[in-house]
This record gives sequence, C-alpha cells and structure tokens, in this order.
Amino acid sequence: QSVLTQPPSVSGAPGQRVTISCAGSSSNIGANYDVHWYQQLPGTAPKLLIYGDTNRPSGVPDRFSGSKSGTSASLAITGLQAEDEADYYCQSYDSSLSGHVFGDGTKVTVL
Amino acid sequence: VQVVQSGAEEKKPGASVKVSCKVSGYSLTEVSIHWVRQAPGRGLEYMGSFDPEDGEIINAQKLQGRITLTGDTSTDTAYMEVTSLRSEDTAVYYCATATKIEVPAVDSWFDPWGQGTLVTVSS
Repeated sequence: QSVLTQPPSVSGAPGQRVTISCAGSSSNIGANYDVHWYQQLPGTAPKLLIYGDTNRPSGVPDRFSGSKSGTSASLAITGLQAEDEADYYCQSYDSSLSGHVFGDGTKVTVL
Repeated sequence: VQVVQSGAEEKKPGASVKVSCKVSGYSLTEVSIHWVRQAPGRGLEYMGSFDPEDGEIINAQKLQGRITLTGDTSTDTAYMEVTSLRSEDTAVYYCATATKIEVPAVDSWFDPWGQGTLVTVSS
C-alpha cells in the first residue's frame, strides 16, 4: 500500500470526463512537493503525462489536465477516447521516506 | 534523447544482477537517473536515484543495503545492481532520466524512460 492513494479503477463512456484522485499527506503532496502523472499502456514503459502539478509535455493532448489542492491531486481526462484505456500513476516526493513515491495506480476503462 | 537498457536476465535466489542504462542525445552528467521496478501485475515501485555529476544517491528504504547505483560518464551509462536476490524481486526494472535544469531534485519528474529489463529470480 503506497502513501499516495489512488482508486483502483475508473470507467467512462467515449466522450465523457473522468477524474483520478491521488490522496497524500503532510509529508508529500501537503508539503507542496510537485505531483506528476504517468500513463502506462499494456506491455509498455510508463510515459510522462503531467509534470509539476499542471504542465503537459509537448505532444500530450489538452484533454489531459492536472490539479492539486491541499494534500491531494487529480488528473482529469475530458472527451474520453478508446486509446486512453491504460493504467495511470501519480508520483511525488515524501520527506518521511526521503524518496520519491508512486501511487498504487488506477486502471481506466473506456466502456 | 534516448534511454536504452540491457537485456533480460534470469537469476537464482541469492545471486546478484546488474542492469545497465545507456543515455544518448545528452551527457550523463546533465541528468539524474532514477530506477523503478514493476512486479508482474503490480504497480510502479521507486527504487532509488543517482546523480552522476556529484555521485549523490537516494535509495528507497525498502531496498537499503541490497541496491547499488553507479554511473560511467565516459560511456554515458548508468548501472543498478541488486544483491541477495529473492523470488519477490522478479520484476521489470526501468531506468528513467530527469532534468536538473531549474528543478530541485525533490520535484523531479521521470522522462524519458528506458524500455525496461525483465529480471526473473527462480530456482
């Protein structure tokens, strides 16, 4: 069990909006460390989706957006597409563990 | 900018494994290197970080004493060695780079990632 808690799964129909939460504590997200998000398609390496809480790397569609408030962060996917079906992970730094940490991951299913 | 890892390994319990991670498109000293593993059907687990420029190492507490992170700046290659392997160390091991430009180490994001190296520990 990670110190960053994500729901195991979320689902939505094509075109809908889904959000993935990443709940932390005062030693990680609440300490204002940046939150980053990764997408992992089956059988592939993770790919950076959002960095520095809200920033999209070049090439990432603007359907993906990140936010952070207090001890939690969220990833939103609007206009859900079949190709968005993947596992999504949040990542931050934890001062109690003195290292980076990942959330447990959330599987997104497109109905 | 590319990160290429060494090939799959099969090891017996108690043995050691050393995975390499070659970066191209920039110098190893321009980035920090991070290691992450993923057991079959499981999530991502942070293992440790290495700064080739000053040799600073951060190891995940769970793996303290069993992991060694190094780098060879002459070949722009980073290495991760895990000793005293157990069956639960069976996983895909990833290396990833992180920029050091205007980003404190604690706020590093990992990009790009290598293709992964499958390490199987079995008797």
